Amino acid sequence: KNQVEQSPQSLIILEGKNCTLQCNYTVSPFSNLRWYKQDTGRGPVSLTIMTFSENTKSNGRYTATLDADTKQSSLHITASQLSDSASYICVVSAKFSGGYNKLIFGAGTRLAVHP
Amino acid sequence: EAGVAQSPRYKIIEKRQSVAFWCNPISGHATLYWYQQILGQGPKLLIQFQNNGVVDDSQLPKDRFSAERLKGVDSTLKIQPAKLEDSAVYLCASSLAGGAYEQYFGPGTRLTVT
Repeated sequence: KNQVEQSPQSLIILEGKNCTLQCNYTVSPFSNLRWYKQDTGRGPVSLTIMTFSENTKSNGRYTATLDADTKQSSLHITASQLSDSASYICVVSAKFSGGYNKLIFGAGTRLAVHP
Repeated sequence: EAGVAQSPRYKIIEKRQSVAFWCNPISGHATLYWYQQILGQGPKLLIQFQNNGVVDDSQLPKDRFSAERLKGVDSTLKIQPAKLEDSAVYLCASSLAGGAYEQYFGPGTRLTVT
């Protein structure tokens, strides 16, 4: 069964600190892995997208890693800011015959950054 | 570039009533998605359109949910009759095409069924 599991479910950190969010997946056939940021009351916004051959990708203070062998990904946030408070969703894309891609969403990690 | 537009932003109805949501995707985007996001969970795909054709509606509860994209541009999602468990945020997203193209999400419609 195609699944994406994220940990922790929620996290509280102090402003300026770093944190790492985890994502494990059992999705086949794998196409790509995405991290989205979802602010309260808004739709998800893409942070990074990685294909099978990419190990790491950065977007400002956000760095995502991918280990396709162990089917794990992480999102590292450096020098956190209050505006980083949001849900972070790991999404894995499965590619089926005919070029059809289906996204499988994790439940998200809710991050709260406190001053 | 204008983003994905959705309306209304909030809706409160009683169970057994009907409700409709509207989505206008980014101009030129052929693929449109409707997702249901229950509080504390990730979005779940309800239906995917490629232009005005349905690509995937395997998780759409067809006894009560319907969606259309008649001219291959904007789309409506309808629930009739609504149940308490339909309370959720309904997100619309669009992309240039299917496959690995980036999906851009609208702000969502928060539905509360009482």
